[in-house]
Amino acid sequence: DAKTTQPPSMDCAEGRAANLPCNHSTISGNEYVYWYRQIHSQGPQYIIHGLKNNETNEMASLIITEDRKSSTLILPHATLRDTAVYYCIVRVAGQAGTALIFGKGTTLSVSS
Amino acid sequence: GAVVSQHPSWVICKSGTSVKIECRSLDFQATTMFWYRQFPKQSLMLMATSNEGSKATYEQGVEKDKFLINHASLTLSTLTVTSAHPEDSSFYICSADRGNGYTFGSGTRLTVV
Repeated sequence: DAKTTQPPSMDCAEGRAANLPCNHSTISGNEYVYWYRQIHSQGPQYIIHGLKNNETNEMASLIITEDRKSSTLILPHATLRDTAVYYCIVRVAGQAGTALIFGKGTTLSVSS
Repeated sequence: GAVVSQHPSWVICKSGTSVKIECRSLDFQATTMFWYRQFPKQSLMLMATSNEGSKATYEQGVEKDKFLINHASLTLSTLTVTSAHPEDSSFYICSADRGNGYTFGSGTRLTVV
């Protein structure tokens, strides 16, 4: 799986958009970008994933650059409950039987 | 849907005793489950891959005789920490492979005193 680089921490004001970047310059053509988050003392939670097109769901939007070497997770209106560690993971889809490998992630702190 | 139940959510045990943690997929079958360990302010570290009906595959540096994994059914995997020591105190998390994604348990906080 390709390596990812994320800033260790970010701050965001409640109600504002949180934009979390991820660099994955060695991503290969069949690798997807996945985002998970972990709220303190809980298990990770799936947020969104994408291959090359921008994706949006009820939780967030994922913007992937045209060269696919980086992406941005957008939480449009951050709340205090969005305070968590956000993990960007790159891997081939459908690899049943292989585990997700987590990097250090970005600690997002949302404050009022 | 796709719920994974992990029990207990926290446990305190004495040094030298064993602790069993259960991970159940409630509404789907999971041929493969994974066990992670997470120390404070660190990321999740994969310990082992648990396959139903076969022996678990352990990551390098994880003692298979200390961390016993059993995956006897398609909905249940257990992790037993044997002869626990204070350095085994950690947050243990299981994950189930749904085939089209992963669902994580809520984690177990183990404190060994």
